[in-house]
Amino acid sequence: DVKVTQSSRYLVKRTGEKVFLECVQDMDHENMFWYRQDPGLGLRLIYFSYDVKMKEKGDIPEGYSVSREKKERFSLILESASTNQTSMYLCASSHRGQGHQPQHFGDGTRLSIL
Amino acid sequence: ILNVEQSPQSLHVQEGDSTNFTCSFPSSNFYALHWYRWETAKSPEALFVMTLNGDEKKKGRISATLNTKEGYSYLYIKGSQPEDSATYLCASTAAGNTGKLIFGQGTTLQVKP
Repeated sequence: DVKVTQSSRYLVKRTGEKVFLECVQDMDHENMFWYRQDPGLGLRLIYFSYDVKMKEKGDIPEGYSVSREKKERFSLILESASTNQTSMYLCASSHRGQGHQPQHFGDGTRLSIL
Repeated sequence: ILNVEQSPQSLHVQEGDSTNFTCSFPSSNFYALHWYRWETAKSPEALFVMTLNGDEKKKGRISATLNTKEGYSYLYIKGSQPEDSATYLCASTAAGNTGKLIFGQGTTLQVKP
């Protein structure tokens, strides 16, 4: 079974801190994704990567950056955390393809910014 | 339709009832439609991926249909059980999008014993 592991289930940080969310997958997937989920809004794509060192902005990239130095690891960085970034963050991965490959998700990180 | 829309937003049914939800998506340049089940405290799990107009897929008591010309998909649950309680997400992708999905806001199902 595919395993997507996110570094923390719960995280509390302060406004202005630099925050790192880590995601590792063990199935040699080319694509990796970062989403946030807020009540009533569904999953919104922040960034995705289709190869090592490659990244593309999703629908809501402002205030975030990403890093993919190794194929199995995709990091989401909040450069200067703000309270409106309090949310559930989900990482996902899939094989390369135009969208017919299912995405496999981690358990999520519930991030609170105080 | 520019976004993916799901209805209803939430649903409460009794154990044994059959139920269905709707997902509407942009039909132009359509490539694939995904359904996921997201149980509380777990990760979203892929149920189906469909690409062809008229596709029907089944997994136990859950099935889904796809109409790409009019841009909708139905998810059916036959004889709902309490363990079916979850949020059901659909997502679509257009051709050339390198795997990016647009998600709907989900339908939350509560099955009462």
